Amino acid sequence: DTEVTQTPKHLVMGMTNKKSLKCEQHMGHRAMYWYKQKAKKPPELMFVYSYEKLSINESVPSRFSPECPNSSLLNLHLHALQPEDSALYLCASSPGQGIGAYEQYFGPGTRLTVT
Amino acid sequence: AQKVTQAQTEISVVEKEDVTLDCVYETRDTTYYLFWYKQPPSGELVFLIRRNSFDEQNEISGRYSWNFQKSTSSFNFTITASQVVDSAVYFCALRREYGNKLVFGAGTILRVKS
Repeated sequence: DTEVTQTPKHLVMGMTNKKSLKCEQHMGHRAMYWYKQKAKKPPELMFVYSYEKLSINESVPSRFSPECPNSSLLNLHLHALQPEDSALYLCASSPGQGIGAYEQYFGPGTRLTVT
Repeated sequence: AQKVTQAQTEISVVEKEDVTLDCVYETRDTTYYLFWYKQPPSGELVFLIRRNSFDEQNEISGRYSWNFQKSTSSFNFTITASQVVDSAVYFCALRREYGNKLVFGAGTILRVKS
C-alpha cells in the first residue's frame, strides 16, 4: 500500500493565525518531505526529514516550522503567513534516502489559502 | 547542474489518439534516476515510473510506454489510445545518485477530449 495521507484537505487562515498541516504514512519509509506547489508550477522542495531528523531545509522562511514526532508522522506548523504563501502543500515519503534507487510517494496535498 | 526540460506546455488530443510527452534532461552525473509523475486535477502526484541511468531498456505498462535514450538525454512518455481519465499534468523529474532532491520539469498539461 503506497499511501500518504494529509489533513486537512483545505485550509483558510488569516495572517495572524497559527495552524498545522499533518502528514502520515505507514509504509515504513524513513524519509519524509514537504513540498510547496503554486498554480501551474512544479512542486518545490521545502524540507526533508531522514530518520526523524531534519536533513534539508531549502532556505524556507521561519514562519514555516516542520516537525517529525515519529517515523510515520510529519507536521508543518504555520504562523504569520503571507498571502503569497497560498499554495498546495504536498507531503511525500520514500523508502530510501540520500543514495540509491527509490521513488517518492506523494499525498493528496493541503490547499492553503492565506487571507 | 541538473535540469529537466518539458518543452510541450499543453497538448490536446481526441480520445483514442496516441500522444507522446517529451522530456529532455541535463546532468553530468553517470548515475542518476528519472521519473514520471501524473498530477490529476485532484492534486495528488501519482508516481508512474522510475528509470535508472544504467538501464536503457524501454518499458511498457498497459497503455503507457517509456523510451529512454541516453544518447539524446531524453526520457519520453507515450500514452496509446488515450482516454479522458488521462487528462492531467505530467511531470518528468531527475534525481542524482546522492541526494533526495527531485529536479522537476515545468510539466505538460494533457487534455484528452471525448
